[in-house]
Amino acid sequence: AQSVTQPDIHITVSEGASLELRCNYSYGATPYLFWYVQSPGQGLQLLLKYFSGDTLVQGIKGFEAEFKRSQSSFNLRKPSVHWSDAAEYFCAVGPTLNMDSNYQLIWGAGTKLIIKP
Amino acid sequence: GAGVSQSPSNKVTEKGKDVELRCDPISGHTALYWYRQSLGQGLEFLIYFQGNSAPDKSGLPSDRFSAERTGGSVSTLTIQRTQQEDSAVYLCASSWTGTNTDTQYFGPGTRLTVL
Repeated sequence: AQSVTQPDIHITVSEGASLELRCNYSYGATPYLFWYVQSPGQGLQLLLKYFSGDTLVQGIKGFEAEFKRSQSSFNLRKPSVHWSDAAEYFCAVGPTLNMDSNYQLIWGAGTKLIIKP
Repeated sequence: GAGVSQSPSNKVTEKGKDVELRCDPISGHTALYWYRQSLGQGLEFLIYFQGNSAPDKSGLPSDRFSAERTGGSVSTLTIQRTQQEDSAVYLCASSWTGTNTDTQYFGPGTRLTVL
């Protein structure tokens, strides 16, 4: 079955430190890959997405993610976090094989990022 | 421009009552999704509307849940005879085309608490 795993329920990082949030997926082919962020009291916002091509993807707010086919991973990174990055981050996968459900995404459970001052 | 709006932002109800949750998508977006977000869980797909096509209701957890989208715009999610396990945040999202390569724009959600 298709699935998305975000192994870390929450992560605490000091302000200014680097960040990596993990995302692994299970799917029979290379899916479409997304990271969304949910700030407190706000809706989810797209950070970045990968469909094909260069495996290092740049997004908004200084985030990037790298697709690694061999590891079925799409980890999110930021070199230096700011207090405003405190939020919940969701990885999502879009199936590419079954065109009957080409509107659906499979979502991870989310990782809550806590920033220490 | 205006984003996706949802109302109410919070709803507290008693077990057995019916509730209606409203979503106003971004103007011009043809696709509309409803999701349920429970504590510690990912987003659970509930229902998908695309233009005038029949909605995909495959994610609705029981026949107590229903949704409609009037005039291709506003959508209402109705939960009848609410149960405590229905307590969650209900999210609405819209997108231009509805394909899974398309960015989904989310509303802030409605937090439903069933006592």
